[in-house]
Amino acid sequence: DAGVIQSPRHEVTEMGQEVTLRCKPISGHNSLFWYRQTMMRGLELLIYFNNNVPIDDSGMPEDRFSAKMPNASFSTLKIQPSEPRDSAVYFCASSTQGRDNSPLHFGNGTRLTVT
Amino acid sequence: AQSVAQPEDQVNVAEGNPLTVKCTYSVSGNPYLFWYVQYPNRGLQFLLKYITGDNLVKGSYGFEAEFNKSQTSFHLKKPSALVSDSALYFCAVRDLNTDKLIFGTGTRLQVFP
Repeated sequence: DAGVIQSPRHEVTEMGQEVTLRCKPISGHNSLFWYRQTMMRGLELLIYFNNNVPIDDSGMPEDRFSAKMPNASFSTLKIQPSEPRDSAVYFCASSTQGRDNSPLHFGNGTRLTVT
Repeated sequence: AQSVAQPEDQVNVAEGNPLTVKCTYSVSGNPYLFWYVQYPNRGLQFLLKYITGDNLVKGSYGFEAEFNKSQTSFHLKKPSALVSDSALYFCAVRDLNTDKLIFGTGTRLQVFP
């Protein structure tokens, strides 16, 4: 089991550029979560999917953020245009059906720096 | 709303000594509680969970947690700390209304040789 795979590990971009973060969940997991971690705000849930369908996107900070899950093995988080305050570590996590209290499995994150 | 609080930003302990990382919760209904650990430049890893049953829950790497309903606490413990236990520890509760996992602010554990 390769675990949750995120790419890239590091992304440095200039303000105004489009950024796309990628995630491959663990095979067989049908829930996928995108989190953002910063020193100031800690861990924030941005959006989560169940069976490829977005269930709750209330944590997405602005319309500049969008997420997709075209199939069970791939998800993207896009920021367009990016701003310096978007600098953070973005984590993807997956689990089996949400309400069985199965643990989340996190990827190693993408560290985004927007200059 | 469901929430957890981790009152200590950092806990320092000498190797070989017992450690405790504190967590208190506020929920309506039965609490579903979790502990995760984060090592540098890594994602969070699941340690243990309390759903129901025995108040003492055993988890990975020799950690355990005690659920105390009267004190609304779910403290993480280990009888003998290792330097390699140094990491960031998060307590979390599942919000049954939204099905979200709500994380605390984290406690940095530093184990000194």
